[in-house]
Amino acid sequence: EAGVTQFPSHSVIEKGQTVTLRCDPISGHDNLYWYRRVMGKEIKFLLHFVKESKQDESGMPNNRFLAERTGGTYSTLKVQPAELEDSGVYFCASSQDFYEQYFGPGTRLTVT
Amino acid sequence: AQTVTQSQPEMSVQEAETVTLSCTYDTSESDYYLFWYKQPPSRQMILVIRQEAYKQQNATENRFSVNFQKAAKSFSLKISDSQLGDAAMYFCAYRGTSGTYKYIFGTGTRLKVLA
Repeated sequence: EAGVTQFPSHSVIEKGQTVTLRCDPISGHDNLYWYRRVMGKEIKFLLHFVKESKQDESGMPNNRFLAERTGGTYSTLKVQPAELEDSGVYFCASSQDFYEQYFGPGTRLTVT
Repeated sequence: AQTVTQSQPEMSVQEAETVTLSCTYDTSESDYYLFWYKQPPSRQMILVIRQEAYKQQNATENRFSVNFQKAAKSFSLKISDSQLGDAAMYFCAYRGTSGTYKYIFGTGTRLKVLA
């Protein structure tokens, strides 16, 4: 069984540019979560999808962040325009039930 | 709001020795789950061990065990017979039993295993 995959693994962009991160959850997992870790700090929740619906987006920093989940399959997280403080590692996780979340390897975003 | 604290940014252990990683949390909920996740360098996080708050018995998975003290809100991870492959970042996480079941993480502890 394939795990959660994320693309790209690393992205370096300039302030003001746009970046789109992608997450492919484990097949059949209805729940998809996005988290972010800023260097040296805790991993923080961003939002939660159940299938294609946003269940909780209370962790989204501001309206420069837009998350979508097409047809309840893969998800994208777009940052537009990117700011320096958006740098960090973005993790995606999926779960079939609410028991355990399976994490992807993360996308390291560097905004210069 | 719930919080998770890992007070040890970095720990070292000699191969074959035992090490304990600390985690404390704060919550007003009576039922919840606690997790330890391991993230090896450049690899994804994997679940090490899980503890349900309603269970008094401490969870154990092979060389990994927890010391769960509900009243003290403490959830430490003990790694016995440490191996080089245990070197990783370890995250403690809390999950409630209502709402979206999002995880609340600590800042992580980097474990180094010395040969």
